[in-house]
Amino acid sequence: GEDVEQSLFLSVREGDSSVINCTYTDSSSTYLYWYKQEPGAGLQLLTYIFSNMDMKQDQRLTVLLNKKDKHLSLRIADTQTGDSAIYFCAECSSGAGSYQLTFGKGTKLSVIP
Amino acid sequence: NAGVMQNPRHLVRRRGQEARLRCSPMKGHSHVYWYRQLPEEGLKFMVYLQKENIIDESGMPKERFSAEFPKEGPSILRIQQVVRGDSAAYFCASSHLGPPETQYFGPGTRLLVL
Repeated sequence: GEDVEQSLFLSVREGDSSVINCTYTDSSSTYLYWYKQEPGAGLQLLTYIFSNMDMKQDQRLTVLLNKKDKHLSLRIADTQTGDSAIYFCAECSSGAGSYQLTFGKGTKLSVIP
Repeated sequence: NAGVMQNPRHLVRRRGQEARLRCSPMKGHSHVYWYRQLPEEGLKFMVYLQKENIIDESGMPKERFSAEFPKEGPSILRIQQVVRGDSAAYFCASSHLGPPETQYFGPGTRLLVL
């Protein structure tokens, strides 16, 4: 099965908050990342959290980490149409002795005006 | 500061031809990573290189694929005798230090094999 799982779609109204969830399996994960991908573009690093943190806030973005449940979430406050994109959760772990980023399949966020 | 640069952005090849994808890391970054993204999928790790060395190629297919990062010039991902299943977006990322240092991604090369 997948090491990192995300729901595939999320639809919200402009101005509402969006919450994108992610679960991972590797308990040795050191950093966890959120990347944004707009159509036809590369990945833009949004934010990251170190595994010894519970929460990180950066302007409209709030990342919550529940290490016990291996659950990561990204909250986008006051969602705008420009936030429409695919959001990827990724973990960086050293369990196999090699630091690789393992990505989820991405959550497509659609913002309804 | 220029970000990670990749070229070409789009590449069309016929089956059996060779594809060469180039990646110039961010200034000051000496660690390069290649990922492949199939349609509707997340990114899959292929290879991690540091200048002149392959550190981890555990995600790279054993045949037809090779990567290098010479002392001078960009990193190259080379796919020989391409097949239709190689059609994908190939992303390069770079970091200043090695993992788990944050990786910054380029815009990708979209390869289409006819």
